[in-house]
Amino acid sequence: AQSVSQHNHHVILSEAASLELGCNYSYGGTVNLFWYVQYPGQHLQLLLKYFSGDPLVKGIKGFEAEFIKSKFSFNLRKPSVQWSDTAEYFCAVNAPTSGTYKYIFGTGTRLKVLA
Amino acid sequence: DAEITQSPRHKITETGRQVTLACHQTWNHNNMFWYRQDLGHGLRLIHYSYGVQDTNKGEVSDGYSVSRSNTEDLPLTLESAASSQTSVYFCASSDSAYYEQYFGPGTRLTVT
Repeated sequence: AQSVSQHNHHVILSEAASLELGCNYSYGGTVNLFWYVQYPGQHLQLLLKYFSGDPLVKGIKGFEAEFIKSKFSFNLRKPSVQWSDTAEYFCAVNAPTSGTYKYIFGTGTRLKVLA
Repeated sequence: DAEITQSPRHKITETGRQVTLACHQTWNHNNMFWYRQDLGHGLRLIHYSYGVQDTNKGEVSDGYSVSRSNTEDLPLTLESAASSQTSVYFCASSDSAYYEQYFGPGTRLTVT
């Protein structure tokens, strides 16, 4: 069955530290990849997405992600985090299944940034 | 601006009662989804719809039902609420099954 793994469940960083959150998926075909962010008390919103083309994708608020097809990975990065980046981050994969597309979310990574 | 609204935002109910959570979107999206969010499980798909009169079961559909009578609304009904259904429920919509989803603010449901 298709799945999405986020290995880091909780991450604590100091401001200005670099961030990398891992995301691996299990699906052999073409996929669309997403990172969503959920700030405390708010709904999920799209951070960035990859459909095709340049495997290095830039999103909002200085975030970027790199699609490495050979590793089935789509890791999220930010060179220097801020206190306002404290949130939960979800990786999601959209893959063709039975004639349509199926969305699968990872279990999320809670990031806490210390001021 | 287009948006998704959910009501109520908070609900406390008793075991065995029927509960309906509303979801209304003004994006004019064909696709709508219901998820539940629980610690350690992330987002799990309950039901989804690709258009009016279309409904499909997700991975955790037992005890839940939906109906789609128009483009804007996808109400979620808990037939007989159970304590295991205490959760935060998110509704989402998308223009195409291929694209990103837009989420509502969530409903926090407590079943006592």
